[in-house]
Amino acid sequence: GQNIDQPTEMTATEGAIVQINCTYQTSGFNGLFWYQQHAGEAPTFLSYNVLDGLEEKGRFSSFLSRSKGYSYLLLKELQMKDSASYLCAVSKAAGNKLTFGGGTRVLVKP
Amino acid sequence: GAVVSQHPSRVICKSGTSVKIECRSLDFQATTMFWYRQFPKQSLMLMATSNEGSKATYEQGVEKDKFLINHASLTLSTLTVTSAHPEDSSFYICSASLAGGADTQYFGPGTRLTVL
Repeated sequence: GQNIDQPTEMTATEGAIVQINCTYQTSGFNGLFWYQQHAGEAPTFLSYNVLDGLEEKGRFSSFLSRSKGYSYLLLKELQMKDSASYLCAVSKAAGNKLTFGGGTRVLVKP
Repeated sequence: GAVVSQHPSRVICKSGTSVKIECRSLDFQATTMFWYRQFPKQSLMLMATSNEGSKATYEQGVEKDKFLINHASLTLSTLTVTSAHPEDSSFYICSASLAGGADTQYFGPGTRLTVL
């Protein structure tokens, strides 16, 4: 099976930086995704990492270390609209199926 | 690009009735579509994988006779919840991807099902 762990909740101040960690155990690893989900809405794609290293996209960056089974999502210059759940999901080579972590609820305070 | 729609967005039905949810990829052809269920304050749980023109593959613990999936074309998959019960009340979300590799899944807006 797959174990994907991420913190349940994080709180940060507007304009600050927050790092959301995700650890996973899986066989047949074929990439790691980060999604953002606002309450009552569907997830929206943020990033995809399959090779080790840092991928930067504007205010959001994602890092992967395959040997450590570890990823993080970095949110910079936090805005109030960034308050949402952030889902870490691991893709297996067979069938492109995603297994999601429990999600991290980020609350951005003024 | 990569827009996925779902219909209806909300549905309320009586216990014992069946409900059909449609998932469409609007601007691309989806080789594979996925159906998820999400209970309040929980993460997404994959129910089944749907490939166009073939039978869906269900995850362990998901009853294939209760959750009927049809993927008739490269842009449409349907999920029918048969003989719905209150415990089936949930947020059902579909996603679509272009190819069978680790291609990005694009999610529909979800369908909130409430069974009375």
